[in-house]
Amino acid sequence: QVQLQESGPGLLEPSQTLSLTCTVSGGSISSGNYYWSWIRQHPEKGLEWIGYIYYSGSPYYNPSLQSRVSISVDTSKNQFSLKVSSVTAADTAVYYCARDGPWGSLHFDYWGQGILVTVTS
Amino acid sequence: QSALTQPASVSGSPGQSITISCTGSSTDVGLYNYVSWYQQHPGKAPKLMIYDVSKRPSGLSNRFSGSKSGNTASLTISGLQTEDEAHYYCSSYTTASTRVFGGGTKLTVL
Repeated sequence: QVQLQESGPGLLEPSQTLSLTCTVSGGSISSGNYYWSWIRQHPEKGLEWIGYIYYSGSPYYNPSLQSRVSISVDTSKNQFSLKVSSVTAADTAVYYCARDGPWGSLHFDYWGQGILVTVTS
Repeated sequence: QSALTQPASVSGSPGQSITISCTGSSTDVGLYNYVSWYQQHPGKAPKLMIYDVSKRPSGLSNRFSGSKSGNTASLTISGLQTEDEAHYYCSSYTTASTRVFGGGTKLTVL
């Protein structure tokens, strides 16, 4: 059973960089044709896809966030990470990591529990 | 990329059937069979309900079904139960190799 767990600071000040890590257990991040995604949900709002990465490929990002977002993978730790630079209150949201794929059947089948990140001065 | 369009809310009585629509474009829903649906209860992570337009994950009730016609996908829930009350989101792959979600639909079981 694959499990994902988000970790990182829950409170940030405006202009700081948000850094979150997703630890994958129950399976290797580098096995299978899976992509690894970050998704966020603003308070009382819908889901917003942020981006994904394949363990050996380039990341893809939501065009609306592309200039501030970076996703990377560390196969040795079975983790992938998200960075969002120059955060504002508009980045306050619950951030989820999720497994996406495999190619030929693209869907988010496993999700982390989510981590609330609040941006406030 | 624009979010997929879902009705803000739908409602039904126990035992009834409801359908939630998800409208995209020829660059996402209309082009690929990579439409999936997620159920989210308050304070919980989303749960996969339907993938590849109409496939159900193992163990999921057959009360949930999916379909697609042109640029619009649909989720149908038959035999409504009180525990079905939740938010539902559709998602699709796009020509830009990205993913897009619908705005979400709140299902109320009266």
